[in-house]
Amino acid sequence: QVQLQESGPGLVKPSETLSLTCTVSGGSIRSGNYSWGWIRQPPGKGLEWIGNIYQSGTPYYNPSLKSRVTMFVDTYRNQFSLKLTSVTAADTAVYYCARLGYRGWPYDYYGFDVWGLGTTVGVSS
Amino acid sequence: AIPLTQSPSSLSAFVGDRVTITCRASRDIDTALAWYQQTPGKAPKLLIYHASSLESGVPSRFSGSGSRADFSLTISSLQPEDFATYYCQQLSTFPFTFGPGTKVEIK
Repeated sequence: QVQLQESGPGLVKPSETLSLTCTVSGGSIRSGNYSWGWIRQPPGKGLEWIGNIYQSGTPYYNPSLKSRVTMFVDTYRNQFSLKLTSVTAADTAVYYCARLGYRGWPYDYYGFDVWGLGTTVGVSS
Repeated sequence: AIPLTQSPSSLSAFVGDRVTITCRASRDIDTALAWYQQTPGKAPKLLIYHASSLESGVPSRFSGSGSRADFSLTISSLQPEDFATYYCQQLSTFPFTFGPGTKVEIK
């Protein structure tokens, strides 16, 4: 079955760029009606949707982060990635990548049904 | 954005109890709502999609209901492994938003 694995540095300095990659295994990132997303969870807090990217490469970002977020998909490597610029301590969180299924048009979403284990990213000098 | 509220924010219950958690959207989202369960240190797990459809492999003691702006998640007979935090999420409109969570603890 499809599995997701996040990778990237566990510590980023303030004002620098956080870069994470999610590797998809057990299936192709190009197959099926799926969009690929990032969700984060600050320590002791709830879940925050960061954004999603479609197989076409079209992204949708949370407006609260939009000016700092970029996502892209690498179909050849079966990966998708997140870049978050100008990080501060408020960006310290567990970052999850996840798969979102949909059907029809306009898209009717099922929910994030496959998640990575999550990777902890701290922002500190 | 469509804010979601959940109630209660936490609850204590016995094994075997029937538990209901509610989620309210700030506007009509039809049935574009999912429920997730998260245990400490783990990724969330999808339980319910389209407000009332049970995800494959999820025990039938979990059920969801509701439409438009009011939704609920019910656990018919609480099991030890159900003690966790539950989140609702709206998938009607970007940005997808999560509720603040409901923590279910052992009494």
